[in-house]
Amino acid sequence: AQSVAQPEDQVNVAEGNPLTVKCTYSVSGNPYLFWYVQYPNRGLQFLLKYITGDNLVKGSYGFEAEFNKSQTSFHLKKPSALVSDSALYFCAVRSSGNTPLVFGKGTRLSVIA
Amino acid sequence: NAGVTQTPKFRVLKTGQSMTLLCAQDMNHEYMYWYRQDPGMGLRLIHYSVGEGTTAKGEVPDGYNVSRLKKQNFLLGLESAAPSQTSVYFCASSYEIDTQYFGPGTRLTVL
Repeated sequence: AQSVAQPEDQVNVAEGNPLTVKCTYSVSGNPYLFWYVQYPNRGLQFLLKYITGDNLVKGSYGFEAEFNKSQTSFHLKKPSALVSDSALYFCAVRSSGNTPLVFGKGTRLSVIA
Repeated sequence: NAGVTQTPKFRVLKTGQSMTLLCAQDMNHEYMYWYRQDPGMGLRLIHYSVGEGTTAKGEVPDGYNVSRLKKQNFLLGLESAAPSQTSVYFCASSYEIDTQYFGPGTRLTVL
């Protein structure tokens, strides 16, 4: 079975500071890892994914994520947070084959001016 | 392209009533999904489809039925609504079982 954990319900960061949203996963075989963002009253939007290759993945809006196989983590990062980054962030994972994504419970990011 | 659209945006039902949620995509995607989002629970997969005429159960399928008669449409039905089905429902689609594109959601309240 595959699962994903987002240990923080809420992350607060000052504008201009770096931000990290944590994600750990459990999956059989090689993981396919994703980050999505949800703005208020909207559907989820794709940010970035890791399938294979370089452990540092760059995505939309200046976000990046680092895949760490030994720690089974895929933390989302941004060097300098913006107020407009305030949203709900979801990590998701699946194994190879046709298994659907499993989403974490989400982390609410609040960037304070 | 409209992407993924959902009808209706809001609905209030009484316990025991039935309804159908419609999801449509114009990206020629093979895969389509229905999720529900509840506070503190994240997104949970209800049913999904890997192609026209196919459906499969997700994590929380009980009380729901789905149909994929046309490639571009994926219908979610509630035969006898219960208050526990009060939620925000999201449809998504993907070309392969990979990056998903989400609709704007349907907010359903069951009284």
